[in-house]
Amino acid sequence: GAVVSQHPSRVICKSGTSVKIECRSLDFQATTMFWYRQFPKQSLMLMATSNEGSKATYEQGVEKDKFLINHASLTLSTLTVTSAHPEDSSFYICSASRGGIDTQYFGPGTRLTVL
Amino acid sequence: AQSVTQLGSHVSVSEGALVLLRCNYSSSVPPYLFWYVQYPNQGLQLLLKYTTGATLVKGINGFEAEFKKSETSFHLTKPSAHMSDAAEYFCAVSGGGGNKLTFGTGTQLKVEL
Repeated sequence: GAVVSQHPSRVICKSGTSVKIECRSLDFQATTMFWYRQFPKQSLMLMATSNEGSKATYEQGVEKDKFLINHASLTLSTLTVTSAHPEDSSFYICSASRGGIDTQYFGPGTRLTVL
Repeated sequence: AQSVTQLGSHVSVSEGALVLLRCNYSSSVPPYLFWYVQYPNQGLQLLLKYTTGATLVKGINGFEAEFKKSETSFHLTKPSAHMSDAAEYFCAVSGGGGNKLTFGTGTQLKVEL
């Protein structure tokens, strides 16, 4: 149980385009989903927290207009990187939990490369 | 505020030897503590967690960790390393309402023949 999927696993796009990444909880209802960014050989940095049906809460320094997060259902959250630039290239990982103090279950990650 | 310190960004052990990965935390409230493992180009897999109760926590793949409040530590151990244990290991802490995680910088474990 507690499986989280992400799609796509890898994406390459041109600078200036937008990319959408999906995060799905496959066998449980995720009240809360988290989006992380991980640079090579570094730790995970929390970008934002989203609760189903509410606006996402962004961490300090994360541009909310650039990284659009939607959590429209209890099993799906999306991260859209708008007007992507090479510096947005990174490994994006989502996690999902049932809320409260429940454990976070992580997706397999999405490798974004912006040319 | 919470923080996690993982001593040693790289640890190398021989196959069959003891694995010890160190984690110290700082938290203003009773912490929940986690160890996650990450294989290359993959997400994180939960190894074990401490919330309340017994301070020695057993996880998957033969790993265990002990919560020591007096030392603010949550070190990860495994009696006998296997080649398949080679991966990146992250210690994380949450607490103070909600379950936002703060991660350490990670320890790369290498297992040699």
